Amino acid sequence: GAGVSQSPSNKVTEKGKDVELRCDPISGHTALYWYRQSLGQGLEFLIYFQGNSAPDKSGLPSDRFSAERTGGSVSTLTIQRTQQEDSAVYLCASSLQTSGGSYEQYFGPGTRLTVT
Amino acid sequence: GENVEQHPSTLSVQEGDSAVIKCTYSDSASNYFPWYKQELGKGPQLIIDIRSNVGEKKDQRIAVTLNKTAKHFSLHITETQPEDSAVYFCAAPRSSASKIIFGSGTRLSIRP
Repeated sequence: GAGVSQSPSNKVTEKGKDVELRCDPISGHTALYWYRQSLGQGLEFLIYFQGNSAPDKSGLPSDRFSAERTGGSVSTLTIQRTQQEDSAVYLCASSLQTSGGSYEQYFGPGTRLTVT
Repeated sequence: GENVEQHPSTLSVQEGDSAVIKCTYSDSASNYFPWYKQELGKGPQLIIDIRSNVGEKKDQRIAVTLNKTAKHFSLHITETQPEDSAVYFCAAPRSSASKIIFGSGTRLSIRP
């Protein structure tokens, strides 16, 4: 079946512009995560959506970052007034949360954002 | 708060030798410990996981051990092969929630 998809795969933008990154999770997965990965670094948690619950936004680095998940499926991560330090790979993952505690996350290929 | 520490950050082993990566966690209520492998240009992929009701789990050349008392778990790769070269991440969930905290990663290189 189809995995997690992200678009665009690459995005180059000028400093100060807004960007939108899209994530299509696996159908039926109730949990969705956004991470940021700078070159050669680990996974920095940004935001987590679970069903109809309020999202966990504790990882968003500033108020320029926001995300939404419409209809419990597709998610969009928006970065306003981009800065050069926003350059990174943005990864999305989805998970089928079960009462038995199935936590496996399925990652998309990522969007490489370059701010010039 | 939750914290997951991973060591070493880089590891180079001769092809055919074993590799061991270790992680420690702080939340004693954590009960699920996955390991992810990230190849160049791709997203991480789950390779093995272990739950707190067992101490060891094996899958061919890969094994994970868990010591709940000491709050650490390890990934063991035996008979390493070139395709094992990648970045490996350990993770643990924050207690009473599904948010996963990842370690900082280990870049494993297999020398021919």
